Amino acid sequence: AQTVTQSQPEMSVQEAETVTLSCTYDTSENNYYLFWYKQPPSRQMILVIRQEAYKQQNATENRFSVNFQKAAKSFSLKISDSQLGDTAMYFCARTQAFRDDKIIFGKGTRLHILP
Amino acid sequence: DAGVIQSPRHEVTEMGQEVTLRCKPISGHDYLFWYRQTMMRGLELLIYFNNNVPIDDSGMPEDRFSAKMPNASFSTLKIQPSEPRDSAVYFCASSLTSVPNEQFFGPGTRLTVL
Repeated sequence: AQTVTQSQPEMSVQEAETVTLSCTYDTSENNYYLFWYKQPPSRQMILVIRQEAYKQQNATENRFSVNFQKAAKSFSLKISDSQLGDTAMYFCARTQAFRDDKIIFGKGTRLHILP
Repeated sequence: DAGVIQSPRHEVTEMGQEVTLRCKPISGHDYLFWYRQTMMRGLELLIYFNNNVPIDDSGMPEDRFSAKMPNASFSTLKIQPSEPRDSAVYFCASSLTSVPNEQFFGPGTRLTVL
């Protein structure tokens, strides 16, 4: 089965620290898309960042950046200068294939930012 | 734009009853997705539509589940009869054309079947 694995069910860090969330996946495709979604306590799913597998450069969005290691099938999310509002569930996800409409989600990592 | 609208936000029903969840996608979006979220299984895609046509329903767990999209601005997910194991949060999401465009999620419907 083609899966997305998030090995850290839960993490806690102090405000202003940097935290890295891990994600590995299984695929036989060469081109695909990867995503990190955030789900705060409000339950609203929000796209944080997106990476195209054929691009070497790691995507960044303000305090959020990824470390994409294609050969290792690894896609970690780094949050710099963490804020209380970053407290949420974070889901790693990927498309099954480049032109696939479907997204496969990991089980999520619950992140607590402590004051 | 109001975003994806789902109703109801919470539903509590008894086993055997019919449950209908509703979704209004963002205007102009031509893809609509139904997901189910549970602690055990995470976020699962149930079915998705493109231009009101069901494209893939392989995630629908059983014949008790059905989904329709009669027009571009409305979709329903029906469970009949409902069972306690159907208790979950059901999300609707829409997107403009296909992935990798962002899927915009609704607030979800928390369903509890007693």
